[in-house]
Amino acid sequence: ETGVTQTPRHLVMGMTNKKSLKCEQHLGHNAMYWYKQSAKKPLELMFVYSLEERVENNSVPSRFSPECPNSSHLFLHLHTLQPEDSALYLCASSQLTGGGTGELFFGEGSRLTVL
Amino acid sequence: KQEVTQIPAALSVPEGENLVLNCSFTDSAIYNLQWFRQDPGKGLTSLLLIQSSQREQTSGRLNASLDKSSGRSTLYIAASQPGDSATYLCAVGWKIEGWGKLQFGAGTQVVVTP
Repeated sequence: ETGVTQTPRHLVMGMTNKKSLKCEQHLGHNAMYWYKQSAKKPLELMFVYSLEERVENNSVPSRFSPECPNSSHLFLHLHTLQPEDSALYLCASSQLTGGGTGELFFGEGSRLTVL
Repeated sequence: KQEVTQIPAALSVPEGENLVLNCSFTDSAIYNLQWFRQDPGKGLTSLLLIQSSQREQTSGRLNASLDKSSGRSTLYIAASQPGDSATYLCAVGWKIEGWGKLQFGAGTQVVVTP
């Protein structure tokens, strides 16, 4: 496997379900990100982990819960979602150097539909 | 707050024509700027990364310029092909509290007709 891989690629869930999105990066980077992409809106940063420590939580509702067990893996745990949470969820990684984000590499995304 | 604008929102050109995509930002104190391509329903593919100290970057048919003083970057795609049809996004990065932030534009949807 190379680059950034996300599973599952598609997910349909009811409002009372609990599910998780998984992301794995094979690039040796020290930072990982979750972005949300809704129709007709710019990408929205949700969470950032630097060296497995969360450094950004961009006012995301608590029904989204991130987990970063090590520098290669990132999860997004989902529970009691709303239909407006339906979107493409993108994971990315980069090498932080000198305070900047470095070049971002994205996975293919997980398309989430909440019924 | 950094605001990133991409105009036009959509563009259609005949094959062989050069593409010019624009990205403007409000705060010139940037760390870097990155151009991405996104195919429908897919993730983003990094095309070019320009550091704040650079004026341009080139990769094959792609050339990106950066003018921090005017808050602009331009992506040129020479001799467009139908395979270049996609949405192109720019993202402006800046330093904050020991790491960095990226602000994305809404993208320009490009269609290259055979």
